[in-house]
Formats: sequence, structure tokens, C-alpha cells
Amino acid sequence: GQNIDQPTEMTATEGAIVQINCTYQTSGFNGLFWYQQHAGEAPTFLSYNVLDGLEEKGRFSSFLSRSKGYSYLLLKELQMKDSASYLCAVRGGGSQGNLIFGKGTKLSVKP
Amino acid sequence: SQTIHQWPATLVQPVGSPLSLECTVEGTSNPNLYWYRQAAGRGLQLLFYSVGIGQISSEVPQNLSASRPQDRQFILSSKKLLLSDSGFYLCAWSVRWTFGNTIYFGEGSWLTVV
Repeated sequence: GQNIDQPTEMTATEGAIVQINCTYQTSGFNGLFWYQQHAGEAPTFLSYNVLDGLEEKGRFSSFLSRSKGYSYLLLKELQMKDSASYLCAVRGGGSQGNLIFGKGTKLSVKP
Repeated sequence: SQTIHQWPATLVQPVGSPLSLECTVEGTSNPNLYWYRQAAGRGLQLLFYSVGIGQISSEVPQNLSASRPQDRQFILSSKKLLLSDSGFYLCAWSVRWTFGNTIYFGEGSWLTVV
């Protein structure tokens, strides 16, 4: 079967660092994506990992370990506007490479 | 640059009524197109995807259908809505599949079936 797990909710303080974990079990693997989704809005693309290691993009970084079926999204210098849901998605095998999404982690940033 | 639009943004429909959500993509050709649904407390569920005009693949059995009458147009329909069809519907596109291509979402359509 195919499964993506991430914590349901997290809370952090403005200016702090938070790490959102994601574990996955899928039929085939062709990359892992992170999306940000503010309440009532569509998801927007944050990052993509296909090789092991860390990808850094400004305040956001994403890490992947394919052997462990594990990824995390690291958010530094948290701002109030970072309060949102963060979706982990895996592109599995198959000819179409469709994304399989986790249920998302709702992050609340407190002053 | 590429853009994706879907409409209507919000609709309230009675049980048993028909549904039509429309999505168009601009600035690209031969895109893969997708319809996702996000129900309260659940993850994004892929409903349909299309790799070309008239080519539709369904991921889950349901009373919804999809059509792609033109290269950059994708339509989600139902003849008779159920209460369980309520949710946030998202159209999305990507370039024809290669490693690393990203799925980009439209603004979404909120459907409430009453």
C-alpha cells in the first residue's frame, strides 16, 4: 500500500526554528515535494527532493533520506505569515508520476 | 508565464443537482491536468488526471466525471450531487511528466452540497 505520515498539528514561536517530519511508503519513488497551504487557499509549491540530502531555499530547507523513507521541512526565523498547513507529497512510480499527498501538518506560529 | 484558473470559486448546490467546474491553463501546451478534492480533515485526493484531449483516467470510483474537450481545458461534472461530494476542489497542471516537474494548483472551488 501507499502511505504518507506527518504530524497533524505543531505550534512554534515567532523567530524560532521548526522541523516538520514526513515518512512515506510508496510503490516506487520519483521525488518528494513540500507544499504550503494557507487556510481556504490552494497549495503552493515550496520544495522538491529526489536525491538524498538537504535542499536550502531561503528560510526553508528540505531534507530527504530515501533509504529511511523520510523527509523533513525546516523553517527558520519563523514569521506569523508562516502559519499554514504544510503538505508532504510523494511522486510514486508508474507512467504518469502522480503525486500522493499526506494529510498535512497545521503549523501555528505564536508571538 | 503559465497560469491556471478555475471557476466558480464558491457554490452551494442541493442534493441531486448537477455540477460543472471548469479549469483552463494558459501559457503552456500539452499539459497534464488533474482534479483533486480536499475534504475536511483529509488529505488531497486525486480524482482524475488527463494526459491529452479526450484522455481521462479515474483514480477513485464515484459519481463524478471529467472531460477534456480542448488541450488546456478540464471540466469536472456530476449529474446528481451527493452530500458527500462537499469539499474543496482543486484543478492542477504539470508539464508532461518528467523527473522533477511540479504540480501547480488553481485557486480552488468550494462546493457545499445541502
